[in-house]
Amino acid sequence: AQKVTQAQTEISVVEKEDVTLDCVYETRDTTYYLFWYKQPPSGELVFLIRRNSFDEQNEISGRYSWNFQKSTSSFNFTITASQVVDSAVYFCALSEGGNYGGSQGNLIFGKGTKLSVKP
Amino acid sequence: DVKVTQSSRYLVKRTGEKVFLECVQDMDHENMFWYRQDPGLGLRLIYFSYDVKMKEKGDIPEGYSVSREKKERFSLILESASTNQTSMYLCASSSWPENYGYTFGSGTRLTVV
Repeated sequence: AQKVTQAQTEISVVEKEDVTLDCVYETRDTTYYLFWYKQPPSGELVFLIRRNSFDEQNEISGRYSWNFQKSTSSFNFTITASQVVDSAVYFCALSEGGNYGGSQGNLIFGKGTKLSVKP
Repeated sequence: DVKVTQSSRYLVKRTGEKVFLECVQDMDHENMFWYRQDPGLGLRLIYFSYDVKMKEKGDIPEGYSVSREKKERFSLILESASTNQTSMYLCASSSWPENYGYTFGSGTRLTVV
């Protein structure tokens, strides 16, 4: 069965600190996709990144970076030099690949990590 | 810019009322989803639809139904609203097989009194 675990419920840091949000997933599929979403206080979920199971390259986008390790089933997210605007709830999610009839692309979400960045 | 639009941002309804939450997407996506989000429970899938007039139960379908008469519109119906359905409701859409993930609406915060 699919499962996504975000063990950190809340994290509080001071501005300019680096912070890593952990994500561990479970799946039996060999083809799957991993995602991170950000939910600021306004409520809308904002897509950050998508990764497929065949691409273990780490990715960097500005102050954001992602570390995908299949050996440990982890897809961790690091914010470098955090800013107050990074304060949000961050969700990791998993969807399985393949050609399922009727369940294509269903996302399974972790319970989220609330990040508070204080000035 | 691609969009998923939910008709109401905030809604207050009385117990026992029939409630309609509307969601429209302009991306020609096949798949549409309804989630509810509650503190400590994350996002839970209520129903989804992968084609017009098709629907599938998610993890918590009890007390809800859905309607998808047109590809761009997916409605969530609370047949008889109860206080335990007070929640944030999020609609999303996605395409397959590209699977670029979901595009979410801004959510409807429903309060049942």
